[in-house]
Amino acid sequence: GQQLNQSPQSMFIQEGEDVSMNCTSSSIFNTWLWYKQDPGEGPVLLIALYKAGELTSNGRLTAQFGITRKDSFLNISASIPSDVGIYFCAVLNYGGSQGNLIFGKGTKLSVKP
Amino acid sequence: DGGITQSPKYLFRKEGQNVTLSCEQNLNHDAMYWYRQDPGQGLRLIYYSQIVNDFQKGDIAEGYSVSREKKESFPLTVTSAQKNPTAFYLCASTTPGTPWGYTFGSGTRLTVV
Repeated sequence: GQQLNQSPQSMFIQEGEDVSMNCTSSSIFNTWLWYKQDPGEGPVLLIALYKAGELTSNGRLTAQFGITRKDSFLNISASIPSDVGIYFCAVLNYGGSQGNLIFGKGTKLSVKP
Repeated sequence: DGGITQSPKYLFRKEGQNVTLSCEQNLNHDAMYWYRQDPGQGLRLIYYSQIVNDFQKGDIAEGYSVSREKKESFPLTVTSAQKNPTAFYLCASTTPGTPWGYTFGSGTRLTVV
């Protein structure tokens, strides 16, 4: 099946540092999404990207949809302890069921106060 | 408030027993999904349903069964045929064509003892 390569797998940072993670695919996708999962909870949508080259912000979060439509990155500025969790990239898989998402394996973020 | 509810939060099962995980939504969403999450593996699709009385296998359907008798409910049965059932199970719902509308439940952690 189709896969998304998400990196890094995990990050350990100091509070106040900036964070960057990315996601790549060998196939073109027209919708890229970024989710955050708090420990023991379900993922929550952070940012949705629909246009190649699009740069979108949500508070301290910024995400970009790559111009080739095969990649995306997520930046978090000035990290705080509540940023801890697993961040997933996802794409809409039009080749599968309508509305089916393919997820990356996640980036686990740990923040030291 | 509208949402999606999974129960129970924690479930213990003896090896060889079937167990059913509940997922209920009051968002009037047409489509519902079951994902399995293992550490470092991301989210893998088990089954999905886009309409009542119809459902499709996902990438890892072996050892699982579902039903969709009501729009609001999509229970997942983990059968004794599932070789490695210990995992975190997530249910999600959406209206097809609106990926930003994916809503996840808070998950059920199943442990086989």
